[in-house]
Amino acid sequence: AQSVAQPEDQVNVAEGNPLTVKCTYSVSGNPYLFWYVQYPNRGLQFLLKYITGDNLVKGSYGFEAEFNKSQTSFHLKKPSALVSDSALYFCAVGGNMLTFGGGTRLMVKP
Amino acid sequence: DVKVTQSSRYLVKRTGEKVFLECVQDMDHENMFWYRQDPGLGLRLIYFSYDVKMKEKGDIPEGYSVSREKKERFSLILESASTNQTSMYLCASSLDRGDSPLHFGNGTRLTVT
Repeated sequence: AQSVAQPEDQVNVAEGNPLTVKCTYSVSGNPYLFWYVQYPNRGLQFLLKYITGDNLVKGSYGFEAEFNKSQTSFHLKKPSALVSDSALYFCAVGGNMLTFGGGTRLMVKP
Repeated sequence: DVKVTQSSRYLVKRTGEKVFLECVQDMDHENMFWYRQDPGLGLRLIYFSYDVKMKEKGDIPEGYSVSREKKERFSLILESASTNQTSMYLCASSLDRGDSPLHFGNGTRLTVT
């Protein structure tokens, strides 16, 4: 069975500082990994994915994620946070049957 | 852009009622999904469908059924609503079975009293 862990319920960061939202996964075989973002009262929006190839994946809104096979991690990063990045972030693993983590709320303070 | 439309934003139903949640996508996607979202639990897959008239159980199908009579429409049915089905329900679609990302609707917040 596949699983995803997002160890932090909330991450607080000051605007302009770098941010990291952590994700670890467990899956047999090569993983498909995704990050989604959810703004208030909205559905989830796709940010980026890792299927194969370069371990650093670039996505929407300046976000990127680093795939680390030995640590089974897929952390989401951004060099300089914006207040508008404040949202709920979900990591997911799998193919079409995605398994989602519990979500991490990112709060960016001005 | 893909649009996934869920018919109701908020819904309040009584225990024991039969509840229909409707979802329509406009991009001819093969796959459609129903998830429920609860705080701290993330999204859990209820049912999904790869084609018209076919369905497969997800992780938490108990108490739910689905219908896909047309490619663009995927309905979630609560046969007899219970208070533990109070939740946010999210519909999604995707292009194929591979690594295509999911496109989500804005969700239906269902309260069962």
